[in-house]
Amino acid sequence: GESVGLHLPTLSVQEGDNSIINCAYSNSASDYFIWYKQESGKGPQFIIDIRSNMDKRQGQRVTVLLNKTVKHLSLQIAATQPGDSAVYFCAETVSNTGKLIFGQGTTLQVKP
Amino acid sequence: EPEVTQTPSHQVTQMGQEVILRCVPISNHLYFYWYRQILGQKVEFLVSFYNNEISEKSEIFDDQFSVERPDGSNFTLKIRSTKLEDSAMYFCASTLGQGTEKLFFGSGTQLSVL
Repeated sequence: GESVGLHLPTLSVQEGDNSIINCAYSNSASDYFIWYKQESGKGPQFIIDIRSNMDKRQGQRVTVLLNKTVKHLSLQIAATQPGDSAVYFCAETVSNTGKLIFGQGTTLQVKP
Repeated sequence: EPEVTQTPSHQVTQMGQEVILRCVPISNHLYFYWYRQILGQKVEFLVSFYNNEISEKSEIFDDQFSVERPDGSNFTLKIRSTKLEDSAMYFCASTLGQGTEKLFFGSGTQLSVL
């Protein structure tokens, strides 16, 4: 069946270091991928997205990489800050269905 | 920045009771969604809604669930007879266009069924 999974449940990094959060997906029909950040008591907040016709997309301090060959997605956060501490979810979808399939989530802990 | 608002933030109910979770999507958005997240688990899709009808629903969204857009601003999720396993955080989301480009989520309603 369809599934999206994360390789590491918790990632702890030092403030100022770069963070890499990984995600595997299994639905080869998925053509749109999103990273969400969820802080305690809040809903998922959009960070960055990427379509399957791209392999890299950059935002402000964040980069998403897509490797369709191995069905792998990663989120890179540059110069991680304490405010980046949250749970990060990857999600996949076939873009015309309106249905997101979320991964399990990775907790990012930033140590000052 | 416009946001999706949900009320109440917490809802406690007895098993078998009906609950209605309320959402006000972003005003110019046309596609509406409900997701839920059981404590410690992934966010799960429940239902999508467009043009006053359900576009897609998951296996979770059985006959006990219904959605409605009673007026031009509210979007509600009703659970007719709650079960213990319905306890979860329920998120409403909306987007302007078709698909899930930049889905905006509300802060959620924590439903506790006792």
